[in-house]
Formats: sequence, structure tokens, C-alpha cells
Amino acid sequence: GAVVSQHPSWVICKSGTSVKIECRSLDFQATTMFWYRQFPKQSLMLMATSNEGSKATYEQGVEKDKFLINHASLTLSTLTVTSAHPEDSSFYICSATPGLHEQYFGPGTRLTVT
Amino acid sequence: QKEVEQNSGPLSVPEGAIASLNCTYSDRGSQSFFWYRQYSGKSPELIMFIYSNGDKEDGRFTAQLNKASQYVSLLIRDSQPSDSATYLCAASGAGSYQLTFGKGTKLSVIP
Repeated sequence: GAVVSQHPSWVICKSGTSVKIECRSLDFQATTMFWYRQFPKQSLMLMATSNEGSKATYEQGVEKDKFLINHASLTLSTLTVTSAHPEDSSFYICSATPGLHEQYFGPGTRLTVT
Repeated sequence: QKEVEQNSGPLSVPEGAIASLNCTYSDRGSQSFFWYRQYSGKSPELIMFIYSNGDKEDGRFTAQLNKASQYVSLLIRDSQPSDSATYLCAASGAGSYQLTFGKGTKLSVIP
């Protein structure tokens, strides 16, 4: 149990374009989902917290107009990187919690912006 | 500022030995503690969580929590080369699902 999927697993896009990443909880309803970013050899950095049906809460320094988060249902959250630039290239990982304290992570999406 | 501190390592242990990973946290309000394993290029995988003072065992893994000392540890018995990974310690506070992660300890199990 407690499986979280992400799609796509990797994506290459051109500078200036937008990319959408999906995060789904497959066998539980996720009251809260989180989006993280991880650069090589660094730890996870929380970008935002999203609750179904409400606006996401962004961490300090994360541009909410650049990283659009939509938590449309209890099993789906999406992150859209708008007007992507090479510095946005990173490993994006979502996690979900079924309402307990533990978070279950998706497999991650590796974004490369050329 | 909530902080979770871990020794970055690398921690090298021979196969079959006990690996001991340590973590301290700054926020006394933290109530739940988690150990995640992350292989290179992969996302974190939950190994164990602990809420109460004392030990919690699950197979080869034992988590230990000492709230008075603000200290959490993870012991891996009979370490295997497949245990080689970065281990992340995380803490969450009362009423919050947000986790504060440490930077992780890299473990290498030498065959």
C-alpha cells in the first residue's frame, strides 16, 4: 500500500516552454500533497504544500506564479513549471500523506531545460 | 528555525556489521520522526517512523528516540551492500504534516 506515482519520470523541454508534472496517490486518498525539488548532491527542498480544493502554500523564495500547483482531487496534484529556464533543471519529487504523519514519495521527475 | 542535523558521512561499515546513523533536532515541539532511504538518482523511501521515546524495531532496522536529548538514531543490523544509500532523518511537529529534513548521511557497506 501507500503508492504514489509521478508522470512523466523525465522530461526535456526548451527554454521558455511550460511543463506539467502529475502526482497521483494510487491506493489512498491524500489529504495533503507536497512538492519538493532536489539538486544534485543536495537535500530535499520543500517547494509547496497543497491541500485538495484549496490554494497551495509556497515556501519562502518559491515563485508561485512560476510553479503553479493544482490539487484537483484527493488523488491528484499537478505542478506546472511555467516559462522554464535552464536553472529550473532539477529533480522534482512529490509526496502524499493519507492523513497520518508519514509521507510517501513518488519516484520523481527529472526535468532538463535546454 | 527548525533544524535537523545529520553527519553527512560517508559512513563506511563492513558487510554484516551494525551501521549506526544519528540525527539531532532543534525544535522541542517535534513529535514524529522518520527515516528515509534514498538511492542515488531515486526518490526517498520510508523505512521507519517513531513517535515515542525508546526503541522501535522492524526487521534489521531499529529506530531510537530520546526526546530529552533531542536525538534520533537508526541502527541497521547485518548491513548489506544493498543498504548503501543516503539516509534522511526528518521531523514533524504537532498538528503539521510538513517534514523538516536533515541533509542526509551517506552509508557505504563494504563487501
